[in-house]
Amino acid sequence: NAGVTQTPKFRVLKTGQSMTLLCAQDMNHEYMYWYRQDPGMGLRLIHYSVGEGTTAKGEVPDGYNVSRLKKQNFLLGLESAAPSQTSVYFCASSKSGGNTGELFFGEGSRLTVL
Amino acid sequence: AQKITQTQPGMFVQEKEAVTLDCTYDTSDPSYGLFWYKQPSSGEMIFLIYQGSYDQQNATEGRYSLNFQKARKSANLVISASQLGDSAMYFCAMRELMTYTGGFKTIFGAGTRLFVKA
Repeated sequence: NAGVTQTPKFRVLKTGQSMTLLCAQDMNHEYMYWYRQDPGMGLRLIHYSVGEGTTAKGEVPDGYNVSRLKKQNFLLGLESAAPSQTSVYFCASSKSGGNTGELFFGEGSRLTVL
Repeated sequence: AQKITQTQPGMFVQEKEAVTLDCTYDTSDPSYGLFWYKQPSSGEMIFLIYQGSYDQQNATEGRYSLNFQKARKSANLVISASQLGDSAMYFCAMRELMTYTGGFKTIFGAGTRLFVKA
């Protein structure tokens, strides 16, 4: 029972390089989210999606792009990585409808930008 | 803008005692949901408890209860009979309807690190 899977789990980049984080969920959830976690700041929402083909900006969207071409996948891209993007990234998904429904998280992806 | 505040960066509690982790929130939306998540040192995020804004009763899940005071906009987590395994980071979160997207988003507080002493 996979749930939410993130790849890669770890990555080291040099400033200016690009990369894509992949999130896949097998629960047929409508909503998917990308968060970053930094010490003392909790989880901050980068981008989210309320369904296939739709995305929206969260609290800290600058420097990131996302795509949701398939319902089960949510991609987070860094076009030109900066040291400030060193963080742990979490993908999450949830059911649609109502205010109930917890987030189901992936295991996190640790990104270091040198 | 909606906001979640957790004012306790760290808390200590003696094993078997109860502890309250504070959370206040700010929203103008009458319909919202409040959550608590636990993050142990291994890093995964674990859902603990949920409270809806229209729920009359405080939510409970085993040793966890949510002290919901709507007028004060607070949603404190109470852990009874603390165990060593409760040592972790705890996050308060709020889910709101985003009218311009028609969907929901969840935002988090900065977290409280709980240390349970033997």
